[in-house]
Amino acid sequence: GAVVSQHPSWVICKSGTSVKIECRSLDFQATTMFWYRQFPKQSLMLMATSNEGSKATYEQGVEKDKFLINHASLTLSTLTVTSAHPEDSSFYICSARKSSGINYGYTFGSGTRLTVV
Amino acid sequence: GQQLNQSPQSMFIQEGEDVSMNCTSSSIFNTWLWYKQDPGEGPVLLIALYKAGELTSNGRLTAQFGITRKDSFLNISASIPSDVGIYFCAGRPDSGTYKYIFGTGTRLKVLA
Repeated sequence: GAVVSQHPSWVICKSGTSVKIECRSLDFQATTMFWYRQFPKQSLMLMATSNEGSKATYEQGVEKDKFLINHASLTLSTLTVTSAHPEDSSFYICSARKSSGINYGYTFGSGTRLTVV
Repeated sequence: GQQLNQSPQSMFIQEGEDVSMNCTSSSIFNTWLWYKQDPGEGPVLLIALYKAGELTSNGRLTAQFGITRKDSFLNISASIPSDVGIYFCAGRPDSGTYKYIFGTGTRLKVLA
């Protein structure tokens, strides 16, 4: 099956520092990966679409300079939260789409809980 | 961001009962997905639907792609305690994009 690994599963950082979250597709190639943010008891909100070898596409209202996305290979996308502040504390989840085929569900990582203190 | 309307928002049921939830949109979708999310985890895909009218089962779960292409339904038969969690629908707009829009979620609690 399709497995997506996300690391770290949780992180606590000081305000003003940067945090990098990794999303890896373990047994398939992912041309496209997606980054979501989820607040407690709320749904998943798409932040950006990460495309291998090109710039990420950000959703309206998401600061691209604050949430840096890099998709340097077909199996790895990273999300860096720069100059983190307490309001950035959230559950961040990535999902990946296989490079081949059309109709299939997307596979999600297990999420990263970020707490900024 | 855009979200789908999902109902009910939450429900308490007795073990053994059947459960129904639905997701509606004002626009047409060409793919519907149903996910379950446990606390502190990422969503896990339950069922994927690709064409209007499609009815697909996965064990005790059955989902249908509405014929109007603007809604989808998920049924859980003979619920058990491990069915507890949050169920999300996700729809792919009929615009050629690979982005999915998520429903607001249905929080299910099963009373033993």
